[in-house]
Amino acid sequence: EAAVTQSPRSKVAVTGGKVTLSCHQTNNHDYMYWYRQDTGHGLRLIHYSYVADSTEKGDIPDGYKASRPSQENFSLILELASLSQTAVYFCASSADWGGSQDTQYFGPGTRLLVL
Amino acid sequence: QQQVRQSSQSLTVWEGETAILNCSYENSAFDYFPWYQQFPGEGPALLIAIRSVSDKKEDGRFTIFFNKREKNLSLHIKDSQPGDSATYFCAASLNSGTYQRFGTGTKLQVVP
Repeated sequence: EAAVTQSPRSKVAVTGGKVTLSCHQTNNHDYMYWYRQDTGHGLRLIHYSYVADSTEKGDIPDGYKASRPSQENFSLILELASLSQTAVYFCASSADWGGSQDTQYFGPGTRLLVL
Repeated sequence: QQQVRQSSQSLTVWEGETAILNCSYENSAFDYFPWYQQFPGEGPALLIAIRSVSDKKEDGRFTIFFNKREKNLSLHIKDSQPGDSATYFCAASLNSGTYQRFGTGTKLQVVP
């Protein structure tokens, strides 16, 4: 069964600190995504990647970096965490863009609290 | 710019009723429309999907009705159960070239 795992599952960070969220998928998918979820905003795309060693900006990339060292792994990096980045973060993967290949498989989420 | 819109942030129905969740989109080139279901504390998961060449897709108690001309679709949950209480996301994809767009979600509560 396809699987996307995230670590940590929850984290408390201090304002101005560095935070790294990790994602690992065993789906053999080329596409990976990072979303944040906030009440009233649904899922907003931060960064995505369609090949190792390359990342692209999504709809809300400011304040975030991403890293895709391999097909299986995709990280989200907050260099200087801010209060406004408190949210639940989801990683997802898909085989391709378009049609049923575009079905996204989500991880369980990381709950981040920035104090 | 919200390309996929879900008109209701929340919806409450009684057990046994049909819940209707609405979704509309802007880009007439979208041709694949999945609905994802998310339970508290979990990530979203695909529930049911429809392609734009169809006007209806049924899977058990879940049915998507699709209106290409009006650029809207709806998810009908027949005989709603308390276990259906979740947040439902409508999404839309192009045939290729760009990433899937998500609506803001509708939180469904089914009251026993």
